[in-house]
Amino acid sequence: DAGITQSPRYKITETGRQVTLMCHQTWSHSYMFWYRQDLGHGLRLIYYSAAADITDKGEVPDGYVVSRSKTENFPLTLESATRSQTSVYFCASMWGSTYNSPLHFGNGTRLTVT
Amino acid sequence: DQQVKQNSPSLSVQEGRISILNCDYTNSMFDYFLWYKKYPAEGPTFLISISSIKDKNEDGRFTVFLNKSAKHLSLHIVPSQPGDSAVYFCAASAGSQGNLIFGKGTKLSVKP
Repeated sequence: DAGITQSPRYKITETGRQVTLMCHQTWSHSYMFWYRQDLGHGLRLIYYSAAADITDKGEVPDGYVVSRSKTENFPLTLESATRSQTSVYFCASMWGSTYNSPLHFGNGTRLTVT
Repeated sequence: DQQVKQNSPSLSVQEGRISILNCDYTNSMFDYFLWYKKYPAEGPTFLISISSIKDKNEDGRFTVFLNKSAKHLSLHIVPSQPGDSAVYFCAASAGSQGNLIFGKGTKLSVKP
C-alpha cells in the first residue's frame, strides 16, 4: 500500500539496550523526519533527512542515530535506551517544499523503556 | 524557548457551535503556518495552511486567520461536529525548506 509505515507499533525495551525504529515510505518523498511526542511538549524534531545519505539534527537529537541509505527508508536507532526516551515516535515525509507538500505522518511507534 | 505556543491545553464545545483554537508565535521569520489534527493512536494529519502573505484561508468548515502584527493565528471550525474531537497542533515554518516547529497541541472535545 502507498503511504508511510512505521514498525513496530509498540515496543518495550530495557534501559541500556539498543533499539531501532523503522520507517518506510512509498511516495519517493525527498524529505523524511523523526519526531517524538511527549505530554507537555507536543511534537519535537529529532532528526531529518533531505535526501539519501543526507541527515541533520533537529531539536532533540541526543541519544539517537539515523541513517538513510535508501530514499524510502529512514530508521531511527536508540544506541543505549534510557527511560527519558519513553515516548511516541512519529516518522514523516515530505516531497520538497513546506509550501506545496505538507508533512505526511506515519501512525507512530509507542516505545517504553523500563 | 517555545517559538509556537498553544496556551489552551483543552477546549470543550457544544455540537453545532463554533470552535476557536488559538496559536501564538515568536519568530518573525515564520512565513507559513499549518494546522494538523490528531486522533488517538494515529499520526497527525494535515488540515489547513496559510501563507504569511494572506490573512485568511478557508476550506469548508475550517478557516484559519493570521494576524501578523500580533503574531497570532486561529483556527475556526463552524459548525463543530463530534468527529472533530481530536488534538489540534499548530505548526510554523521559516522558508520553503524550513522544518516545522509545532506547538504543544489543544485537545478539542465536541459534545453532542
